[in-house]
Amino acid sequence: QQQVKQSPQSLIVQKGGISIINCAYENTAFDYFPWYQQFPGKGPALLIAIRPDVSEKKEGRFTISFNKSAKQFSLHIMDSQPGDSATYFCAASQQTSNYQLIWGAGTKLIIKP
Amino acid sequence: DTAVSQTPKYLVTQMGNDKSIKCEQNLGHDTMYWYKQDSKKFLKIMFSYNNKELIINETVPNRFSPKSPDKAHLNLHINSLELGDSAVYFCASSRFGGRAQYFGPGTRLLVL
Repeated sequence: QQQVKQSPQSLIVQKGGISIINCAYENTAFDYFPWYQQFPGKGPALLIAIRPDVSEKKEGRFTISFNKSAKQFSLHIMDSQPGDSATYFCAASQQTSNYQLIWGAGTKLIIKP
Repeated sequence: DTAVSQTPKYLVTQMGNDKSIKCEQNLGHDTMYWYKQDSKKFLKIMFSYNNKELIINETVPNRFSPKSPDKAHLNLHINSLELGDSAVYFCASSRFGGRAQYFGPGTRLLVL
């Protein structure tokens, strides 16, 4: 019940296209859903996050869509650029578990020029 | 100024040795973490300290011992290193309840 399932494992998108990465969870007590971006040789960095009281959050070309009833959330990258090539992780946490992040397995995104 | 720093960046050592990794954060956060990232990029929480108190202790061999001398530092000592310990170890910090975690650059450990 603590798992966060992420798909796909890898994704290749043409420059200018839309990249979509999906995550699903079971624990309805989760109350915070972040996405992290990791470039090779670097640590993960917080990209964007959402709480379950909203269905969508947009920051520049990055959007989180959240479906509480389906227990799913996704990251959309509009106008994908080669500089977006990285590994993306979804995660979830809840206050009652010391805010511990439960991580998805990661998606390696490659944007082809 | 680096927000979360780790030393060393690379660590190559023989099986059976003992090694330490150090982490420091200058963000004023009160919570720090150690993560292990394996070759498949999977991130696994190992430990978390809040105000020098251990609050998360996942199933990790007791050869791994964290130590937090103060809120800004969290070190990881590994005894009797094994081949399977080869991984990238990340330190992170956050404000307790603040949700966003800030990661260091990682320490790449290779056990031969």
